[in-house]
Amino acid sequence: QVQLVQSGAEVKEPGSSVKVSCKASGGTVITYTINWVRQAPGQGLEWMGGIIPIFGTVNVAQKFQGRITISADESTSTAHMELSSLRSDDTAVYYCARDLRRYCSSITCYAGFDNWGQGALVTVSS
Amino acid sequence: AIQLTQSPSSLSASVGDRVTITCRASQGISSALAWYQQKPGKAPKLLIYDASTLQSGVPSSFSGSGSGTEFTLTISSLQPEDFATYYCQQFDSYPLTFGGGTRVEIQ
Repeated sequence: QVQLVQSGAEVKEPGSSVKVSCKASGGTVITYTINWVRQAPGQGLEWMGGIIPIFGTVNVAQKFQGRITISADESTSTAHMELSSLRSDDTAVYYCARDLRRYCSSITCYAGFDNWGQGALVTVSS
Repeated sequence: AIQLTQSPSSLSASVGDRVTITCRASQGISSALAWYQQKPGKAPKLLIYDASTLQSGVPSSFSGSGSGTEFTLTISSLQPEDFATYYCQQFDSYPLTFGGGTRVEIQ
């Protein structure tokens, strides 16, 4: 059973960047879509974007366009999400999550996120 | 972006109760909907995908139905471990969006 293991908690100053990693322990990230979802304290879930590594496709929510970079490294079975120009309202737990289906080339193949990382708390504060 | 509206936002129920949560989409999404359960401090857990398919390992007390713009998650007999927050998510178009959540509390 593949486990998604994320990097640890971070404290960042406003205006800086944070990079969160998500390693597929015991498996690969290349054949699945890997998504990034965040949850502000006491709030709901927010999809930020995702990558389909095998096809090199990245989709991001318009809200984060220009501030987010999503990538995947097949050699280390690790996906990364970097968010720049951090603000206090970016304080949240950031999750990586893998879609249930493999080899999805488009959204029509998506089913649901069946495998989640443990989450990484990013605190933005001066 | 497609908006998902869940109702109620919270409910109180007792063990053994039948519970129904509704998720309404701002436009038709066919059956491209999933349901999750989240407990405090934990990552969400996939319960239902494709609107009505039970994820492997999920108790059969959970069921999903609906298509188009209206969907329901039903728990046929609430168990102590079912007290949690439930979210719907659509996969019809980008950005993928979640409903606001329904908190199920012990009465």
